[in-house]
Amino acid sequence: DAKTTQPTSMDCAEGRAANLPCNHSTISGNEYVYWYRQIHSQGPQYIIHGLKNNETNEMASLIITEDRKSSTLILPHATLRDTAVYYCIAPRMGSQGNLIFGKGTKLSVKP
Amino acid sequence: DADVTQTPRNRITKTGKRIMLECSQTKGHDRMYWYRQDPGLGLRLIYYSFDVKDINKGEISDGYSVSRQAQAKFSLSLESAIPNQTALYFCATSGPRRGLKNEQFFGPGTRLTVL
Repeated sequence: DAKTTQPTSMDCAEGRAANLPCNHSTISGNEYVYWYRQIHSQGPQYIIHGLKNNETNEMASLIITEDRKSSTLILPHATLRDTAVYYCIAPRMGSQGNLIFGKGTKLSVKP
Repeated sequence: DADVTQTPRNRITKTGKRIMLECSQTKGHDRMYWYRQDPGLGLRLIYYSFDVKDINKGEISDGYSVSRQAQAKFSLSLESAIPNQTALYFCATSGPRRGLKNEQFFGPGTRLTVL
């Protein structure tokens, strides 16, 4: 997987947008960026993925820079239940779906 | 009903004992994975299987073995448990790759303690 760098922790006020950054400067041209989250000690949950274009689904939006060296996951209206560790992953081409989870960003949503 | 189930959810055992963790899925996926997670760290891949006849070692396979009994079942064994195998274990599944999607679905985890 391309090496990804995320802040260790972030805080966000409830109801506000949470913007979680990820640097992946070594990503190859056809490697996707995936985001997962893990609430407490539950199994990780897939959120979203993207290649070049910005993506949006019912959970979040993903903004990828034009040079693809970084991306931002946006939770538009964070709730207390969004408190979790968020992982940014860039699986290597040919890795056949084997995800490498780093330490992620611990997001704390505060009332 | 949960799509990916793991049994047991919690297990305490002693050093040297043989332990089996089981995973079942109803998603009809071909691919199944076993990960472990140590406190404060991300998940690390132990073994993965792309179909019943395909088993592959992951990043940290030493001390573990697996069995893919059927498409829906994937078991992880610790032949002789040791304390540093105390961890949270997750099973995951994914379907055939369409494009380059790597959406994996995780079970609830098994907390294993080796004394």
